[in-house]
Amino acid sequence: EPEVTQTPSHQVTQMGQEVILRCVPISNHLYFYWYRQILGQKVEFLVSFYNNEISEKSEIFDDQFSVERPDGSNFTLKIRSTKLEDSAMYFCARSTGDSGNTIYFGEGSWLTVV
Amino acid sequence: RKEVEQDPGPFNVPEGATVAFNCTYSNSASQSFFWYRQDCRKEPKLLMSVYSSGNEDGRFTAQLNRASQYISLLIRDSKLSDSATYLCVVNGNTGGFKTIFGAGTRLFVKA
Repeated sequence: EPEVTQTPSHQVTQMGQEVILRCVPISNHLYFYWYRQILGQKVEFLVSFYNNEISEKSEIFDDQFSVERPDGSNFTLKIRSTKLEDSAMYFCARSTGDSGNTIYFGEGSWLTVV
Repeated sequence: RKEVEQDPGPFNVPEGATVAFNCTYSNSASQSFFWYRQDCRKEPKLLMSVYSSGNEDGRFTAQLNRASQYISLLIRDSKLSDSATYLCVVNGNTGGFKTIFGAGTRLFVKA
């Protein structure tokens, strides 16, 4: 099955600015996720999104972050007032939603905060 | 104890060698298990799911020991192209499909 498409592939932003990362999944997918990977560190769960609602979120996913699926297609992660430590690769992912719940990742969006 | 723990390596092996990775997880209620492969600055890609009965895919064999809460991956006849980071992944199915990744084990296969 095809995976998800993420844009932008790389974004450089100044500290304090807002960033929106986009994910374009296949329309009949129901389960979506955002993960983050700081360079040299492990993949970290941010949030899961099911049926257009947040189903679970991690401690990392604080008020600085939000997710939306505004038009029923694009799935966005908004990061408000970016900090240097937000520099990371952000992966959008989808899952099968079956009992195994295999995760399939997009190619990621590199965010560099300067 | 970390939710998912792996030996970070690196494992440096010659071509043709057999190499094994282990992973332990803390949540006994975990329901599904996977090995992913991640190349440098790329997205993780599913290598294989891990079943209680053990499963094999070509040169790769995965096993799950629920009693001891560990997962293993065996790579036989290593190729240069196997060089990557191997991620152990555990899904808790807590109602929100929260999937936890290990930090990964680096493998370098040398000619």
